[in-house]
Amino acid sequence: AQSVTQLDSQVPVFEEAPVELRCNYSSSVSVYLFWYVQYPNQGLQLLLKYLSGSTLVKGINGFEAEFNKSQTSFHLRKPSVHISDTAEYFCAVRPSNYQLIWGAGTKLIIKP
Amino acid sequence: EAQVTQNPRYLITVTGKKLTVTCSQNMNHEYMSWYRQDPGLGLRQIYYSMNVEVTDKGDVPEGYKVSRKEKRNFPLILESPSPNQTSLYFCASSLSGRTGANYGYTFGSGTRLTVV
Repeated sequence: AQSVTQLDSQVPVFEEAPVELRCNYSSSVSVYLFWYVQYPNQGLQLLLKYLSGSTLVKGINGFEAEFNKSQTSFHLRKPSVHISDTAEYFCAVRPSNYQLIWGAGTKLIIKP
Repeated sequence: EAQVTQNPRYLITVTGKKLTVTCSQNMNHEYMSWYRQDPGLGLRQIYYSMNVEVTDKGDVPEGYKVSRKEKRNFPLILESPSPNQTSLYFCASSLSGRTGANYGYTFGSGTRLTVV
């Protein structure tokens, strides 16, 4: 069965520290990969996506993610977080034989 | 501005009183979908529509109805709401919903529903 696992439900990190939000997926076919962000009291918006080509993808607000096919991962990173990055982050995978599959989300908590 | 518009943003209702949450998109997207978001459960798909007059059940369709009479609108209907339908609801659209399509989703701002 195809699935997406976000390994941490919450990630607390100090302001200006680096952060990594982990996402692993299970699929026997090729996939497209997405990260969405949900700021408090708002809908979800697309942060970045991997469709093909370079495995390092840059998104909005200084975030980037790396597609690792052998480890079936698509971890999201930012070298220095700001208080405004406080949000919930969702990983989503679209296998070539299926519709979009969502992870359960990771809350990023920025400590001052 | 390209967007998905949901109404209302907040709704408190009583058990059994029929309600409709509207969703409209102005991007000529073929695919539309409804999700509910509950703490610890992430997004769960309720219903989706591949195009006009084509709708299908998602993972949690019980207690909900939808219709897609026009491309831009995809209302969510709760015929007899119950407290377990208290949740945050999101409408989303995408250029295409076909299997394997690489298009992202555009989300509405959400509707917070409380059923007492």
